[in-house]
Amino acid sequence: GENVEQHPSTLSVQEGDSAVIKCTYSDSASNYFPWYKQELGKRPQLIIDIRSNVGEKKDQRIAVTLNKTAKHFSLHITETQPEDSAVYFCAASSGGGADGLTFGKGTHLIIQP
Amino acid sequence: DSGVTQTPKHLITATGQRVTLRCSPRSGDLSVYWYQQSLDQGLQFLIQYYNGEERAKGNILERFSAQQFPDLHSELNLSSLELGDSALYFCASSVALVPVDEQFFGPGTRLTVL
Repeated sequence: GENVEQHPSTLSVQEGDSAVIKCTYSDSASNYFPWYKQELGKRPQLIIDIRSNVGEKKDQRIAVTLNKTAKHFSLHITETQPEDSAVYFCAASSGGGADGLTFGKGTHLIIQP
Repeated sequence: DSGVTQTPKHLITATGQRVTLRCSPRSGDLSVYWYQQSLDQGLQFLIQYYNGEERAKGNILERFSAQQFPDLHSELNLSSLELGDSALYFCASSVALVPVDEQFFGPGTRLTVL
């Protein structure tokens, strides 16, 4: 089955700086890669996703890049703000419909004022 | 608010007992997923239903079972509970099977097994 590795487990950045979280996946059949943000005690919420036919996607301060050959994808957050502090999860899915999401272990992002 | 509802919010029970967690998907969503979140295992996919039929199984124990009813709500049944089953259980829903799309998560049910 699919295996998703996520790094780092904790990331502390100064407010206004950029943050990058990286994930690798093992199953070449995976073609859908969402990123979820989870605040303490809350549900995971989708912040951005990318499909395998696209190399990069951007939404305001958030961007995701995908390298299918290397089987890795990354989340980039620019101009970080205190409200960006949360745990971020990457995930992968085969996209075939009969498949749940395989999640990475999560990155605790801390924005220092 | 994602539109996905889960009950109860909290559940405290003893080892060996059986509990049922309930999920109502967003209006119009046919696909329901169950996930378990614990400190040591992270977020793990358990099982998926689509329009009443089981479509995929993940790391679901044999002591656990689920079903999706004609009104599309789903229930996750956990039996012979062990201390290690203590976790946050999330239900998520999405519109269709393909193309795979955003899964909307419910608020979760926190299960504590004493």
